[in-house]
Amino acid sequence: DQQVKQNSPSLSVQEGRISILNCDYTNSMFDYFLWYKKYPAEGPTFLISISSIKDKNEDGRFTVFLNKSAKHLSLHIVPSQPGDSAVYFCAASSGAGSYQLTFGKGTKLSVIP
Amino acid sequence: DSGVTQTPKHLITATGQRVTLRCSPRSGDLSVYWYQQSLDQGLQFLIQYYNGEERAKGNILERFSAQQFPDLHSELNLSSLELGDSALYFCASSVSFVTGELFFGEGSRLTVL
Repeated sequence: DQQVKQNSPSLSVQEGRISILNCDYTNSMFDYFLWYKKYPAEGPTFLISISSIKDKNEDGRFTVFLNKSAKHLSLHIVPSQPGDSAVYFCAASSGAGSYQLTFGKGTKLSVIP
Repeated sequence: DSGVTQTPKHLITATGQRVTLRCSPRSGDLSVYWYQQSLDQGLQFLIQYYNGEERAKGNILERFSAQQFPDLHSELNLSSLELGDSALYFCASSVSFVTGELFFGEGSRLTVL
């Protein structure tokens, strides 16, 4: 039972355009969501997060949107740069206590110069 | 560099064998997490330790065990290895268990032949 789903294994975007990565979840107990970026031969690195009390969080070129009623979140990257090419993982957690994150399978983003 | 160190980076062994993966968390981090990433899968949570004590267990097989030592480094022991255990094993750390921002090591790639 996959509680966090990233239905697009890959995405290609032209440099300068917007990249939109999507993530759906099924567990209503999730209340904290994160995006991680992973380059080959490296561990995942934290990118941006959002609490369920918000519907948007921005950090520079990265914005995460949360639609709780649809159990959907998305990561927008504007403008996309070649250095953004990586695998992006969506992750979710159900609050205080142990922070075991449930990850999606990832979306490989390719930004074409 | 996340500050989390994992050794070895690569390991090739045979079925039925036992291996130990080692993780040194970031300085000051009390929580250590182990994740498994099999081919085309997301990161699967295995186990979490906080200040030497087991905090949470995920999808960890009985053949696998872990511990966190007084100096806060952690070891993941995998025994009676099977072909399906071939995967990337990531260690992550955080200061406490109240934030979802985990810092990941580069991973240990285990190949079971």
